[in-house]
Amino acid sequence: ELKVEQNPLFLSMQEGKNYTIYCNYSTTSDRLYWYRQDPGKSLESLFVLLSNGAVKQEGRLMASLDTKARLSTLHITAAVHDLSATYFCAGNSGGGADGLTFGKGTHLIIQP
Amino acid sequence: ETGVTQTPRHLVMGMTNKKSLKCEQHLGHNAMYWYKQSAKKPLELMFVYNFKEQTENNSVPSRFSPECPNSSHLFLHLHTLQPEDSALYLCASSQGLNYGYTFGSGTRLTVV
Repeated sequence: ELKVEQNPLFLSMQEGKNYTIYCNYSTTSDRLYWYRQDPGKSLESLFVLLSNGAVKQEGRLMASLDTKARLSTLHITAAVHDLSATYFCAGNSGGGADGLTFGKGTHLIIQP
Repeated sequence: ETGVTQTPRHLVMGMTNKKSLKCEQHLGHNAMYWYKQSAKKPLELMFVYNFKEQTENNSVPSRFSPECPNSSHLFLHLHTLQPEDSALYLCASSQGLNYGYTFGSGTRLTVV
């Protein structure tokens, strides 16, 4: 059974700083996903990482995947207040299963 | 709007009531999902449908009954729920695991 662990679960940081959210998973995951959720809103897809070594960037966010270490990271560069949200990573255990297993989420607050 | 529409947005029901949640997508996706999001737990996969066929049932109690009449519509029928079933119920659709999910805005369910 795939298990996904994120850390930290809560993060308060200042604008302009850099930080990384870590996502570890317990068994082989074909792919790794990152989502963003604003309070009271739905989940928005940020990145889909399909293979070992995959790196994707969108604005101040960059995600990477190391399947050997079973680790994905979401790096925030020069944070701005608008990035305040809860970030989730998710994996798929493969074997024909379509469902994603989510981590608990990282609640990120970026203060001016 | 994400392309996945859920109704109602909010629902309060008694433990003896019967109600249904509706999800609709016109993105041309073939897979649809129900997830439960509680305050203190990660998102929990409930059901997966591929081409109208249920492919995963994640040990969900029988008081939750899904229905997928076609690839664009998904229902979750609710009866004799418990207060601990109060949560945000999210519907999602996908065109394949390489693309991730598109989530609806969710139905906030309160069981009294």
